[in-house]
Amino acid sequence: QQQVKQSPQSLIVQKGGISIINCAYENTAFDYFPWYQQFPGKGPALLIAIRPDVSEKKEGRFTISFNKSAKQFSLHIMDSQPGDSATYFCAARQGAQKLVFGQGTRLTINP
Amino acid sequence: NAGVTQTPKFQVLKTGQSMTLQCAQDMNHNSMYWYRQDPGMGLRLIYYSASEGTTDKGEVPNGYNVSRLNKREFSLRLESAAPSQTSVYFCASKTGMNTEAFFGQGTRLTVV
Repeated sequence: QQQVKQSPQSLIVQKGGISIINCAYENTAFDYFPWYQQFPGKGPALLIAIRPDVSEKKEGRFTISFNKSAKQFSLHIMDSQPGDSATYFCAARQGAQKLVFGQGTRLTINP
Repeated sequence: NAGVTQTPKFQVLKTGQSMTLQCAQDMNHNSMYWYRQDPGMGLRLIYYSASEGTTDKGEVPNGYNVSRLNKREFSLRLESAAPSQTSVYFCASKTGMNTEAFFGQGTRLTVV
């Protein structure tokens, strides 16, 4: 069973709009929550990450919101651009080594 | 600086054949990982190696074996390939407590 559940599976947003991707988890032992971005034919690359003692982290147009009590976190992309079109994965770290991923969201930004 | 290098990039196997996927990193990372990526399933951890000389099972280890050859190299072996192992395989590495994992470009494997 998937330890981290991600939605939606695909998302189409108009240029300049806000893209929102959601993730939920059950394991309270997770201690670090990164988001990875993957372009076609490439491996995933770290985009932004948050620890559970912080409710929000912002880096440029990308923001993670974290709700520890609900065990949910989300990625917001403000002013979405065609270059943001990619697959996005949320993830959660268990212990120092194990990193488990959500199912992925294919984001398309229409010009 | 090559980062994480995977070979081969593409492979077609017949059911029952064996093969080894190679991964090497030049970042002096302690930990290395093998994931498979399937549509709608995300990235699922097959095996990982926290340090040279150790390996542990991930979420989907059945049908696979791994070898941590040295600190740089971590290989994934399919002893008897099955169509269900058709997937894109990614190798990744990171330092012990560092939180960012670096991924290779993937190996697209088709088993017919």
